[in-house]
Amino acid sequence: SQKIEQNSEALNIQEGKTATLTCNYTNYSPAYLQWYRQDPGRGPVFLLLIRENEKEKRKERLKVTFDTTLKQSLFHITASQPADSATYLCALDLPPGTYKYIFGTGTRLKVLA
Amino acid sequence: DVKVTQSSRYLVKRTGEKVFLECVQDMDHENMFWYRQDPGLGLRLIYFSYDVKMKEKGDIPEGYSVSREKKERFSLILESASTNQTSMYLCASLGLAGGINTGELFFGEGSRLTVL
Repeated sequence: SQKIEQNSEALNIQEGKTATLTCNYTNYSPAYLQWYRQDPGRGPVFLLLIRENEKEKRKERLKVTFDTTLKQSLFHITASQPADSATYLCALDLPPGTYKYIFGTGTRLKVLA
Repeated sequence: DVKVTQSSRYLVKRTGEKVFLECVQDMDHENMFWYRQDPGLGLRLIYFSYDVKMKEKGDIPEGYSVSREKKERFSLILESASTNQTSMYLCASLGLAGGINTGELFFGEGSRLTVL
């Protein structure tokens, strides 16, 4: 069955540095992959979507890459700020091309001032 | 901005009670979803609906049912609540732009249910 793996350990980085989070998946490739931000006690908020034919996507300080050969997506936050501290979830469509998603368990990011 | 509103942020119920969780979206979205979120397990899909009165089971539908009588409202029902249904419940709707689904999910703030 399809699985998503995100680093369950928290990631601590210094303010101003680039944070890089990893999302790996097994089995078949999704049609698209998404990243969400979730603050404690709140619902996830959509950040970026990248399609299988796209290698990279950017939005302000955020960048997502998608390597279907490695079955991996990387999520980067450049010039990180304490306000970026949150849990980041990746999600992919299962079956591919549908709107049913499976989510990773998320990586908690803490940006230290 | 799209708004997905869940009726209750916190609920405490007793085992065996019937529980209704309501969700309303204001953007005329066709697809709506109910997830539950538990530590270490992430978000798991319970049910989804792609149109009024239409529903499909997700990955963990047992013990739940849903109702979609109007396009903007999607309700999750626990017929007889059990302690293993203590969880955070999240409703979402799928973004629509120019009549085409965008792939983006808009989530409500969540309903934290405790079953004693």
